[in-house]
Amino acid sequence: EVQLLESGGGLVQPGGSLRLSCAASGFTFNSYAMCWVRQAPGKGPEWVSSITASGSVTYYADSVKGRFTISRDNSKNTLFLQMNSLRAEDTAIYYCAQDVGSRPAVYWGQGTLVTVSS
Amino acid sequence: QTVVTQEPSLTVSPGGTVTLTCASSTGAVTSDYSPNWFQQKPGQIPRALIYSTTNRHSWTPARFSGSLLGGKAALTLSGVQPEDEAEYYCLVLYGGAWVFGGGTKVTVL
Repeated sequence: EVQLLESGGGLVQPGGSLRLSCAASGFTFNSYAMCWVRQAPGKGPEWVSSITASGSVTYYADSVKGRFTISRDNSKNTLFLQMNSLRAEDTAIYYCAQDVGSRPAVYWGQGTLVTVSS
Repeated sequence: QTVVTQEPSLTVSPGGTVTLTCASSTGAVTSDYSPNWFQQKPGQIPRALIYSTTNRHSWTPARFSGSLLGGKAALTLSGVQPEDEAEYYCLVLYGGAWVFGGGTKVTVL
């Protein structure tokens, strides 16, 4: 059974940084691309970033490009999202999700809440 | 900035049929953009329903079907059940960049 467990969320001031982690189990982590999707309160999902299985290629939404960095440690079955220069509009639940072949975001974690506020 | 547009809300009677659409600001949505559909109920995580335009996931009931309709991606719910009341989001893949639509709230009444 695929399990994805996010951690690292919390309250941070504007301009601050946070590093999110996503611990994966139940599948061969290094064989699958992964992504981060966020959802602000009362809003729809917003794709944030994706990374290939090897970690060699990454993609970002324009809204986070240059501020967020996605990475993975395949030896530890863990996905990361380093978030810098945080803004109020980054406030959201952040989900990690597993891509399965050509199928994006098939399995989702429970999410971790990031609140950017002074 | 690419925008994906969906109907804000639709109402359908139990047992009825409703079609949701998903339009792209860049032009026609084609199978090259591999449109996907997700369902989200209040307090729950989004759940993948349809991938690559027409394909159901193993857990997706047969009453959900995906298609292309008039330059848009479409999700049709046939024989609607009360439990189908939810928000539905399309996801369009523009190469390495993905864009979700704003969602359609489907009310079963």
